Amino acid sequence: ETGVTQTPRHLVMGMTNKKSLKCEQHLGHNAMYWYKQSAKKPLELMFVYNFKEQTENNSVPSRFSPECPNSSHLFLHLHTLQPEDSALYLCASSQGVAGDPNEQFFGPGTRLTVL
Amino acid sequence: GQNIDQPTEMTATEGAIVQINCTYQTSGFNGLFWYQQHAGEAPTFLSYNVLDGLEEKGRFSSFLSRSKGYSYLLLKELQMKDSASYLCAAMDSNYQLIWGAGTKLIIKP
Repeated sequence: ETGVTQTPRHLVMGMTNKKSLKCEQHLGHNAMYWYKQSAKKPLELMFVYNFKEQTENNSVPSRFSPECPNSSHLFLHLHTLQPEDSALYLCASSQGVAGDPNEQFFGPGTRLTVL
Repeated sequence: GQNIDQPTEMTATEGAIVQINCTYQTSGFNGLFWYQQHAGEAPTFLSYNVLDGLEEKGRFSSFLSRSKGYSYLLLKELQMKDSASYLCAAMDSNYQLIWGAGTKLIIKP
């Protein structure tokens, strides 16, 4: 148990559906992240929020829409996804975005399958 | 460009020692992280190096050479529960983590 929870753990959706992933951290951290993890590929950073403000958007398609209402909660809204978006979506949090060592704590992920 | 290289898969025997290597190229450098990820689970933090040298933490040690852009994770007295993927990540000048694809470690009895 890392102090970061994600729901749902598994999600199957059609390309025309709209769904949302939820992440919550209980660590009092100020930074939160969304990553995409595909088989045998490096983790891909999607979005970074620091004190509820988005600081990074790594050229992510607009069909992924993040929302950070407060420092403890992070959402990823999904719509009109493609089959290649099927992956494990990981949420992480850290004390801040800089500092030493500033390790990130990960949630268990949402396994997303797009049909 | 920024890049992390680590072996795709390694096999070792229970009770033995294994060294997982990682080389990195980043725009600036703010430290090197190792994470462990069991199948179907979250990555968990193992170690952080920002200065050259060896950091020891129980059965696990991590080494860094900044001049060579090189790190390794050393696992001693291997146990079956150490079967997992080991992820190397370097933090660049923008404090973003650049990740390797992970090394899947298989432990045999």
